[in-house]
Formats: sequence, structure tokens, C-alpha cells
Amino acid sequence: QVQLQESGPRLLKPSQTLSLTCDVSGVSLISYYWTWIRQSPGRGLEWIGHVSHSGTKAYHPSLQSRVSISMDTSKNQFSLSLTSVTAADTATYFCARDPGSSYYAYYWFDPWGPGIPVSVSS
Amino acid sequence: QSVLSQPPSVSGTPGQRITISCSGSKSNIGDNNAHWYQQVSGMAPKLLIHSYYQRPSGVPDRFSGSKSGTSASLIISGLQSADEAEYYCAVWDDTLKTVVFGGGTKLTVL
Repeated sequence: QVQLQESGPRLLKPSQTLSLTCDVSGVSLISYYWTWIRQSPGRGLEWIGHVSHSGTKAYHPSLQSRVSISMDTSKNQFSLSLTSVTAADTATYFCARDPGSSYYAYYWFDPWGPGIPVSVSS
Repeated sequence: QSVLSQPPSVSGTPGQRITISCSGSKSNIGDNNAHWYQQVSGMAPKLLIHSYYQRPSGVPDRFSGSKSGTSASLIISGLQSADEAEYYCAVWDDTLKTVVFGGGTKLTVL
């Protein structure tokens, strides 16, 4: 059974860097695409981006200048880094698997982690 | 305002059949596969339907999906109280170069 679990700080100040980790169990990271999605009352669900073992990365155009997603296959985990955060980045952050093939993502997500609420406030 | 339009709410009685619509455009639903998620309050979204009508294992066949032009629909038959949740459609958008989600539809079982 594939399971994902997010971890990281839940409170940040404006201009800091958000760093989250997703621990994956039940499957190796060397397959599929690994995705970050966030949800807030004002913006709804928002796809942040993904990474694959082959090195493919893609990010939401509006976040591209601030976001980076990487993976550590030795720990079977992948990570999200979002720089220069503002109150607009306050959201619950989810990690999820995209069961895409070696050549392309499917852009549907299953399963999801339980999510981690992150608040940005001075 | 979401690129994909969903009704904010729908309601039904136990045993009834309801439909949730998701209206988009050629660059998303028209040319790509749409997917549906169920989110119970306080929980993470759960995949319900992918690629318009494919059900993951474990999802009851009371849930089905369809597509017509630039719109997708989620159909729930034999409504149960356990179906009370928020439902979201999602699809890749070729113009925006991102996955777009609908604003969500809250289902109430009366």
C-alpha cells in the first residue's frame, strides 16, 4: 500500500523559504511522478509541480521563479522548496503520486498525503 | 475565479442519482483527460475517477464519469449519506501549462 506523509515547519515569516519533505512508503521513487499541490480558501486547489526519477521537472508558471522540487531516492522522499514566501502562500500543502509513465505525466493524483497546514505571518 | 466551472452546491436524498458538471474549454477538457476527486471535510482529496470514466480499484461503481465537448460530468447513483463531501474536477490545460482544478461542488445528502 502506497502511503505519503508530509513534514516540515508550519509557521513561517514573510520572505523566508518554505521547505517541506514527503516521505513515501510502499513504492520506490524510481517510478512515477511525484507532485506537490496546495489548497487555500482563497485560491482553492493549486498544482505546484512535479519531479520524476528521470529528472523531469515541471512547475506552475506563476511559481516557477520561486519553486524547486527534488528527490532523494536513498531516503525514498521528495522535497519542496518555495522561496520568498508571503501571506498568499498560506495553505495546506499536499504531496501526491502521479502514476505517469517513463515518458509523460498523467496529471491525475493517487494517493495523496494527509496534508500539512503552513501559515505565513509576521 | 476557476478556469473550470462547477456548481457551488448540489443536494439529493438517499438513493437518488445526481450529476455534477464541470465546464471548461478546448485547451483543457476539450483536448485532455478530466479527473474527479472527493474531499471529505478535514481530509485530503481522494481520486474518484480518472480519464473521464476510469474508476480506481475500491471506488464503488455508483460513481461514474462522462464527457461531452468541453464539459465533464460526475454521476453518483444510489446516493448515500457517506457521499457528503466536496467534489473537484481537474485537468491539464495546454494554454496555461498547468493542472487546473474546478472550484468544487459541495454535495449535501438530505
